[in-house]
Amino acid sequence: AQTVTQSQPEMSVQEAETVTLSCTYDTSENNYYLFWYKQPPSRQMILVIRQEAYKQQNATENRFSVNFQKAAKSFSLKISDSQLGDTAMYFCAFPPYGNKLVFGAGTILRVKS
Amino acid sequence: ETGVTQSPTHLIKTRGQQVTLRCSSQSGHNTVSWYQQALGQGPQFIFQYYREEENGRGNFPPRFSGLQFPNYSSELNVNALELDDSALYLCASSFGGGAGETQYFGPGTRLLVL
Repeated sequence: AQTVTQSQPEMSVQEAETVTLSCTYDTSENNYYLFWYKQPPSRQMILVIRQEAYKQQNATENRFSVNFQKAAKSFSLKISDSQLGDTAMYFCAFPPYGNKLVFGAGTILRVKS
Repeated sequence: ETGVTQSPTHLIKTRGQQVTLRCSSQSGHNTVSWYQQALGQGPQFIFQYYREEENGRGNFPPRFSGLQFPNYSSELNVNALELDDSALYLCASSFGGGAGETQYFGPGTRLLVL
């Protein structure tokens, strides 16, 4: 079975500091995509970043970047210069069939002032 | 560009009843996926519709059914509601169902079954 594991149920970070959220996944495929989604308390799921497995370069979107380790099946999210608005639940997601997503259990991130 | 919308935002039903949830896809998108998110958990895939045909189904019983209309909006129907059906139901749209196609989510419908 294709699985996604987020081992950190909760994380806290001070405003302006950097935090890394962990994600591991299981697949036998060679070419695939990985996603990080953010779900603020308002609950709308928002795409943060996506990575194509065949690309060596780690994806970056402004303050958000990933550390993609294909051999280790690891896909962590780094948030730099954390802001209060980054407070949310973060989900790692992987689509084993087409774009039908399997989500991890999520990590609650709290940014403190 | 109009985003994904869902209605209603909240719903309360009793066990055994039936419910219909609605989703309008983002402009230009022809694929709609539905997810169930229990409190404190990650979303679970229910099924996907592509051009009015079911295009994959997760591990949900047949009392969960759906439709997609010619304008690509979609409905999720749940019959014989059970207490465990209480959850946030998320709809997501995309342009196609290919692996690289990003899904964009609506705000969800919160269903409470008493």
